[in-house]
Amino acid sequence: DAKTTQPNSMESNEEEPVHLPCNHSTISGTDYIHWYRQLPSQGPEYVIHGLTSNVNNRMASLAIAEDRKSSTLILHRATLRDAAVYYCILRDGWGGGSNYKLTFGKGTLLTVNP
Amino acid sequence: EPEVTQTPSHQVTQMGQEVILRCVPISNHLYFYWYRQILGQKVEFLVSFYNNEISEKSEIFDDQFSVERPDGSNFTLKIRSTKLEDSAMYFCASSESAGRNTIYFGEGSWLTVV
Repeated sequence: DAKTTQPNSMESNEEEPVHLPCNHSTISGTDYIHWYRQLPSQGPEYVIHGLTSNVNNRMASLAIAEDRKSSTLILHRATLRDAAVYYCILRDGWGGGSNYKLTFGKGTLLTVNP
Repeated sequence: EPEVTQTPSHQVTQMGQEVILRCVPISNHLYFYWYRQILGQKVEFLVSFYNNEISEKSEIFDDQFSVERPDGSNFTLKIRSTKLEDSAMYFCASSESAGRNTIYFGEGSWLTVV
């Protein structure tokens, strides 16, 4: 599986934007960039995913570099409920074999200060 | 919003006992997964299941583990003879298809082996 690199931890203040970076220099052409998060004592939760273009949904925005070797998850206004571990994961878009699963790294622990 | 449900939420069992963890995936989903997370560690892939057979399994998923979809709605993980090191949170997950589609996780079953 292609690897991703994320900072171990980040801190933010409530109601401020948060930019969570992810490096994936060995990304292949068919890899989608997925972001999941895990709130304390809960299962992982889907946040957003994209291939080449920037993506927006009700939870967050995903900015993908032109060369696709890095991406940034953007939380526009952090709330206390956004405190979680955020995982950046590459997953082959065409499925098959080992591409069915998600492989979790250590992620970034986001702390949101009131 | 449809969700993956898991039972029990918490189970305490004696070492050597058999345990069955149950999951009801989202109804139109075709791909099913089990993951586990030992306290303080990463979320680890155990097994994926499609078309009534295992499509991939990790090194953790040895002969003590088995999965089954007994009745078209439930998806179970059985641990035949539990060990202390099986103590973990077990997450069931499902997705509509492989590759691009979102994987939805349940809230987890916390297994404590004593």
